[in-house]
Amino acid sequence: GENVEQHPSTLSVQEGDSAVIKCTYSDSASNYFPWYKQELGKRPQLIIDIRSNVGEKKDQRIAVTLNKTAKHFSLHITETQPEDSAVYFCAGDSGYSTLTFGKGTMLLVSP
Amino acid sequence: DSGVTQTPKHLITATGQRVTLRCSPRSGDLSVYWYQQSLDQGLQFLIHYYNGEERAKGNILERFSAQQFPDLHSELNLSSLELGDSALYFCASSVDVGLSYGYTFGSGTRLTVV
Repeated sequence: GENVEQHPSTLSVQEGDSAVIKCTYSDSASNYFPWYKQELGKRPQLIIDIRSNVGEKKDQRIAVTLNKTAKHFSLHITETQPEDSAVYFCAGDSGYSTLTFGKGTMLLVSP
Repeated sequence: DSGVTQTPKHLITATGQRVTLRCSPRSGDLSVYWYQQSLDQGLQFLIHYYNGEERAKGNILERFSAQQFPDLHSELNLSSLELGDSALYFCASSVDVGLSYGYTFGSGTRLTVV
């Protein structure tokens, strides 16, 4: 089955800096890679996703890149704001339309 | 409000007991997924139902079982509870079985076993 590794586990940045979170996956058949943001005590919410036929996708301050050859994908957040502080999870589809999640990255943006 | 409804929000019970967690998917969604979230294990996939049929099983213990009913709501039954079963249990739903639009999580049930 799919295995998703996520780094770093914690990331501290100053407001206005960029943040990058990286994930690797094991199953070359995986085609769908979403990113979820989970604020403390709340549900994970989809913030951006990418499919294997696309190398990069952007949505305002958030972008995701995918390298299928190397089996890794990354989340880029520019001009970080305190409200970006949360735990971010990457995931890959693992057959039967289920998602395997990384262990999460706690992002802390200091004013 | 995501449209995925989970009840109850909180549950405190004793070791050895049995509980039932309930999930109603978003209107029109046929797939329901159950995940367990604990501090050290992240989001662990338990089981997936599509239109009433079990589609995939993950790391679900034999003490746990689930089903999806004709009205598409799902229940996760946890029995012979142990302290280590304390966790957040999330349900998610999606419109189909192919992840065309990803999936949406409910707000979760926080289970505390004492």
